[in-house]
Amino acid sequence: DQQVKQNSPSLSVQEGRISILNCDYTNSMFDYFLWYKKYPAEGPTFLISISSIKDKNEDGRFTVFLNKSAKHLSLHIVPSQPGDSAVYFCAASGLGGGATNKLIFGTGTLLAVQP
Amino acid sequence: GAGVSQSPRYKVAKRGQDVALRCDPISGHVSLFWYQQALGQGPEFLTYFQNEAQLDKSGLPSDRFFAERPEGSVSTLKIQRTQQEDSAVYLCASSFQGIAKNIQYFGAGTRLSVL
Repeated sequence: DQQVKQNSPSLSVQEGRISILNCDYTNSMFDYFLWYKKYPAEGPTFLISISSIKDKNEDGRFTVFLNKSAKHLSLHIVPSQPGDSAVYFCAASGLGGGATNKLIFGTGTLLAVQP
Repeated sequence: GAGVSQSPRYKVAKRGQDVALRCDPISGHVSLFWYQQALGQGPEFLTYFQNEAQLDKSGLPSDRFFAERPEGSVSTLKIQRTQQEDSAVYLCASSFQGIAKNIQYFGAGTRLSVL
């Protein structure tokens, strides 16, 4: 049972336009959400995060929105650049069960930014 | 300082062989996580250490998988009697604090191929 879902395997966007990557989750116990970017043959790199007590967090060109009632979050990249082309993973944590703060990942969305 | 370092980057094993994968976390990071990433999937949690204590091993797929972190820094993931379904990228991540919502920093991973 996939607790974190990224339903779009891929997305293609023109350089300079907005990229919107979506993520849905099923467990209301999650209280912290992160986005990671991954280039081929490299490990995931942290991009931006948001706590469940907020509905928006912004860092430069990257903004994450959280809609708790819909159990949905999205990552906006404005303006998109060719160097943003990578696989983007949504991850969630906070299931408790002791000291573990393990991340539950979605399956990723491949973003291609066309020059 | 250096990021999370994993070795080897690539490992080819014959079915039935034992393998050992090494992770050097970021200096001073208390928490260390191991994840397994199958092709086309997001990383999946294997096990978690806080210092030298293995506090969660609920994600280890079988008793052939064993992890240790004897001095609270370097960790080793060992897989005994490897099988083809063990082929995956094994990712190590570390974070500064154990319980608080902290960002996990990932290494580049070890790609294991079992023939």
